[in-house]
Amino acid sequence: AQSVSQHNHHVILSEAASLELGCNYSYGGTVNLFWYVQYPGQHLQLLLKYFSGDPLVKGIKGFEAEFIKSKFSFNLRKPSVQWSDTAEYFCAVNTNAGKSTFGDGTTLTVKP
Amino acid sequence: DTGVSQDPRHKITKRGQNVTFRCDPISEHNRLYWYRQTLGQGPEFLTYFQNEAQLEKSRLLSDRFSAERPKGSFSTLEIQRTEQGDSAMYLCASSRQGDQETQYFGPGTRLLVL
Repeated sequence: AQSVSQHNHHVILSEAASLELGCNYSYGGTVNLFWYVQYPGQHLQLLLKYFSGDPLVKGIKGFEAEFIKSKFSFNLRKPSVQWSDTAEYFCAVNTNAGKSTFGDGTTLTVKP
Repeated sequence: DTGVSQDPRHKITKRGQNVTFRCDPISEHNRLYWYRQTLGQGPEFLTYFQNEAQLEKSRLLSDRFSAERPKGSFSTLEIQRTEQGDSAMYLCASSRQGDQETQYFGPGTRLLVL
């Protein structure tokens, strides 16, 4: 069975600070990896995804994530956060069988 | 932009009542998923359809829950004899087979069982 672990439940940063959110998954086969973001009052939106190829993937709004297969990790990064990045971030994994397994999310609060 | 839509957005019901939620996926998407999300947790998979066929159901989906997608377009999720533990956000997502399983989510239906 797949599982996803997000290490930080709540992260508080000041504007312009760098961000790294951890995500580890458990699954022995080939996986597709995602980060979703949920802004206050809005629904889940896709931030970025990894399927194959270059393990460093870039998403919207300056976010990027690196897939490290040996560590079963897919950490999300942003060099300089903005107040508007305040949101909840979810890491998810699926196989080609369809369903996604999500982590419990990390709430990011960016102080202006 | 015709994204995934869900109706209703909020539902308050009394314990023991039946409720039904609807999801309209993105029109060209043949896969449709239902998830449930409670406070402080990520979405948990309930079931998914490919066209009108229900291909997988989670153990979370007790016999009080039933989902249908009769014509391979919209889907309904019914909960019979609701319990307070059913209070949650019910999310629908859709994807196009072959699009690397990228799922697009609707706004959800928030259910409160009193």
